[in-house]
Amino acid sequence: NAGVTQTPKFRVLKTGQSMTLLCAQDMNHEYMYWYRQDPGMGLRLIHYSVGEGTTAKGEVPDGYNVSRLKKQNFLLGLESAAPSQTSVYFCASRKGLIEKLFFGSGTQLSVL
Amino acid sequence: GNSVTQMEGPVTLSEEAFLTINCTYTATGYPSLFWYVQYPGEGLQLLLKATKADDKGSNKGFEATYRKETTSFHLEKGSVQVSDSAVYFCALSDRTGGFKTIFGAGTRLFVKA
Repeated sequence: NAGVTQTPKFRVLKTGQSMTLLCAQDMNHEYMYWYRQDPGMGLRLIHYSVGEGTTAKGEVPDGYNVSRLKKQNFLLGLESAAPSQTSVYFCASRKGLIEKLFFGSGTQLSVL
Repeated sequence: GNSVTQMEGPVTLSEEAFLTINCTYTATGYPSLFWYVQYPGEGLQLLLKATKADDKGSNKGFEATYRKETTSFHLEKGSVQVSDSAVYFCALSDRTGGFKTIFGAGTRLFVKA
């Protein structure tokens, strides 16, 4: 089983460029999440989805957009990248509210 | 809003020492509580969980008890190994919090041989 797959694994952007991070899960999970991980700050929730066609803002949504057009995919977009968005991004999914989160292996993004 | 507070690291222990990592939480509802572990270069993976007050979660020698009266979920292990070196995250999930899972800042553990 593939579980949660994130692409790409690494990316370097220049300030102002745009990009999309893709998260795909093959477990038929309803809930999907995008987090960023920064040193000393743990994981902070960017956006999340409770089902196909739904999205909601997390703790740090500014500068990001998301879409959940298909149940298995959750896309994170940066329209105009800024150096403050340099981080490691993790996607996660789960079946139910008290179930464990399954994480992807992360995307290391650097914005110069 | 909901929040999770963990003890700051890093924590450095010798092999076979006793481990405690403190975690306290604030939540408006009745959350489920989790400990996740992250090994270098990997995503997080669930270590243990507890879904109601007085539940004890356990896995791989680690334990944590859900204490509603002190709003705590401290992680313990009686005898750590070098292979336990990792970052540990306390987290909560609450229906009244909009189905979100909130993480603490993480505590890095180093275990010396």
